[in-house]
Amino acid sequence: GAGVSQSPRYKVAKRGQDVALRCDPISGHVSLFWYQQALGQGPEFLTYFQNEAQLDKSGLPSDRFFAERPEGSVSTLKIQRTQQEDSAVYLCASSPSPLAASNYGYTFGSGTRLTVV
Amino acid sequence: GNSVTQMEGPVTLSEEAFLTINCTYTATGYPSLFWYVQYPGEGLQLLLKATKADDKGSNKGFEATYRKETTSFHLEKGSVQVSDSAVYFCALKVQGAQKLVFGQGTRLTINP
Repeated sequence: GAGVSQSPRYKVAKRGQDVALRCDPISGHVSLFWYQQALGQGPEFLTYFQNEAQLDKSGLPSDRFFAERPEGSVSTLKIQRTQQEDSAVYLCASSPSPLAASNYGYTFGSGTRLTVV
Repeated sequence: GNSVTQMEGPVTLSEEAFLTINCTYTATGYPSLFWYVQYPGEGLQLLLKATKADDKGSNKGFEATYRKETTSFHLEKGSVQVSDSAVYFCALKVQGAQKLVFGQGTRLTINP
């Protein structure tokens, strides 16, 4: 597609519920990132994929957070047993290559706004 | 660790005013520096970038110069428009790492 697509756009979950957030990167983009943006804050890094390999998951806040990109294209961020502090906008971004990311930054999706009640 | 500090907002200006949004950073080595803009309801968009000291990034009338001696990358525009109203984020990327480190964002409102 023309841009990075994320779904759903909005998600309301009851505390304790599991959620899955989807990211469709730009076709052919090797690098894929997930960020968490709390209200009024800048995005915080969660995890990074190069093709299907998860090369950095240092930003995942707990073992309730899990991300995958099994075929090197679509990625899913899963949050188990959601808590209120998980409420945030989850942003996905992609880049053609690691070098392109250094020189040109990434293309971000519009995000999924998760509200845990 | 690596971090970015932006001037606190919100910032409110009148149309055609001069804009400066301050950004300073702490990083190991020589990072690449970026400004992203987030319009209401949209994703972050790259506004401009600089990859080495003394580089000037520019786009849509906005400019920022990579100042290594002051570890700064201040965003400027000579004459703002109502359509510039958005949240602006300064970010860095250190060499050898892939992730961006963002500042907290500055909300800018331009009144006609």
